[in-house]
This record gives sequence, C-alpha cells and structure tokens, in this order.
Amino acid sequence: KAGVTQTPRYLIKTRGQQVTLSCSPISGHRSVSWYQQTPGQGLQFLFEYFSETQRNKGNFPGRFSGRQFSNSRSEMNVSTLELGDSALYLCASSPQWRTGELFFGEGSRLTVL
Amino acid sequence: AQKVTQAQTEISVVEKEDVTLDCVYETRDTTYYLFWYKQPPSGELVFLIRRNSFDEQNEISGRYSWNFQKSTSSFNFTITASQVVDSAVYFCALSESNTGNQFYFGTGTSLTVIP
Repeated sequence: KAGVTQTPRYLIKTRGQQVTLSCSPISGHRSVSWYQQTPGQGLQFLFEYFSETQRNKGNFPGRFSGRQFSNSRSEMNVSTLELGDSALYLCASSPQWRTGELFFGEGSRLTVL
Repeated sequence: AQKVTQAQTEISVVEKEDVTLDCVYETRDTTYYLFWYKQPPSGELVFLIRRNSFDEQNEISGRYSWNFQKSTSSFNFTITASQVVDSAVYFCALSESNTGNQFYFGTGTSLTVIP
C-alpha cells in the first residue's frame, strides 16, 4: 500500500510570494491533516480536512489555507510568505477524522529567502 | 498551556543499553489518546503506538515497551537493548476526544545510540 505522498519535497521562495503544497493520502483514507514543524515551535497543527470539509483549524493566520478534493487529495496554500514560514510542512492521513492514528508523509521543506 | 512535555531534549546511550523516554501530558478530557512517533532523518513521522485513556495496560512490542500511568499523567517509552537504528527523534503526542485529529506534540527527544 502506497504511503502518504507530498510534493514538492523541497522548494525555495522569496518573501511576498505564495506557495501551494500537495498531499496524496493513503488510499481509502478520507482525513488529511497538515502540520508545520520548525526548530523553535516544534510540530504545530494547521488544519484537518475530512470529506472535503475543514473540520478543525489551528492557530495560524489566514495566510494559511487549504482544501481537499473529492479524491481526498489535499493542498495547502501560504500567501504573502514571510521568513518565519520556513519550515517542514507535514501532511498526515487517517482513515477516520477523530482520534485516529496519523500516517505522515516525508514533508515539504519550504525555505523563504 | 503546553499539553505534552518531553523534558529530555537529547539522550545518548551505548548500543545494547536500555533507555527510557519520558512523556508527561496535561488534559481535562476524560477521553483522550496518547501516541508515540519516531522521526528518522528522512523527516517522515513513523507511528509506534496509540493508547486510549481507558486502557492503562502496559504494552510490549519486541524491544519497545510503554508504561501508561494516569495517576502521574505519564506515558513513558522504553527501548530495551538499543540499536544504532533506533537513533532518531521521538515524539509523544496527545489528542482529545473533541478535536478530531488535532494532535498536540511534545518537543521531542533526540536519541543517539552509539555503536
């Protein structure tokens, strides 16, 4: 069974630009969550989608947004990038939307210059 | 308020030694779930175990064992006879019954096993 796939794996952007990250969950999983990992703040929850609906959102500014498609694939977008957005963005899928085990991808490492 | 505390930032052990990683959590929920994940250098978080708040039975899986104690709000992880392949960052996490898959992660413990 294929795991969670995230693209791109690495990317470099400049301040003010926007970025879109993609996540394909494990087949059959309908919940997709996004996490930001930085050395200073650790792993922080961004949002969770289930059946194309945002179910929960972390404490991040509105520049961070996401969506989920009918095939459960998800994208997250960050607009007006800031230096502090440099991080590893991890996507996780789960077969259920409440308290299920999360299966993580390898992440997209974003560097903002 | 921080919900999951991993006080050990870095631990080094010599191969074949046993090592225990500590995790203390905080929640007002009576129904919650605790997890341990391993993060190797590749970045992917690997699921190790999930326990719910109603099951305090300790669990053993090969060289891994977990000690869940509600009285002290702790969920500690022990690796027996450590191996070099165990070198990684280990995260403890908590999810609550009313927040879906929003996990609260600890800051992680970086384990280095020296051959």
